Amino acid sequence: QSLLTQPPSLSAAPRQKVTISCAGSSSNIAKNYVYWYQQLPGTAPKLLIYENNRRPSGIPDRFSGSKSGASATLGITGLQTGDEADYYCGTWDSSLSVSLFGGGTKLTVL
Amino acid sequence: QGQLVQSGAEIKKPGASVKVSCKASGYTFTTYGVSWVRQAPGQGLEWMGWVSGDNGYTYYVQKLQGRVTMTTDTATRTAYMELRSLRSDDTAAYYCGREFCDSDRCWGIDFWGQGTLVTVSS
Repeated sequence: QSLLTQPPSLSAAPRQKVTISCAGSSSNIAKNYVYWYQQLPGTAPKLLIYENNRRPSGIPDRFSGSKSGASATLGITGLQTGDEADYYCGTWDSSLSVSLFGGGTKLTVL
Repeated sequence: QGQLVQSGAEIKKPGASVKVSCKASGYTFTTYGVSWVRQAPGQGLEWMGWVSGDNGYTYYVQKLQGRVTMTTDTATRTAYMELRSLRSDDTAAYYCGREFCDSDRCWGIDFWGQGTLVTVSS
């Protein structure tokens, strides 16, 4: 059971918008930066968002991140079939002194 | 942008050890550390710990203390993760990732190796 809670699955139609939530606590998300990773089937995770809302070079602006208190959200607009993947949030927990990942959200674009 | 290339898949018997390598290129190895993350089949990501690329300082999660050793070789820019006394529930894909950590926290993995599948079976 992860300390960061994500919905297990979401689905949306192409060209629509989806948001993925990540709920944490005062010792992790509330105190530290949040990162978002995309894992396409059979591949390694890839960084999508760092420091709550910043995109690495090469990541399209269809992907956005936000944080409020002990929760964070990943937004994806203009959904494409190629966005079908597992999405994970991550952060540091200052009480446990460990990096944490959410349980992951499987996004289906149908 | 840098790159991390991991060693190939392994099949081990229960009780054995496995050592996975992760070779870095394209960045100053000693400025960052390497975190190791594993993913059991069909499951989520589990952070195992971190090793400094500069001085070899390590941090391991409590559940793996005593069974895991993470090291680096700065001459070859390679990080290693050894897991001992393997059990069937250690079957997983093991990933290395570049991560900067200081005395307060780690700051997120910015790129990952391709993964190494370790299968533990009698």
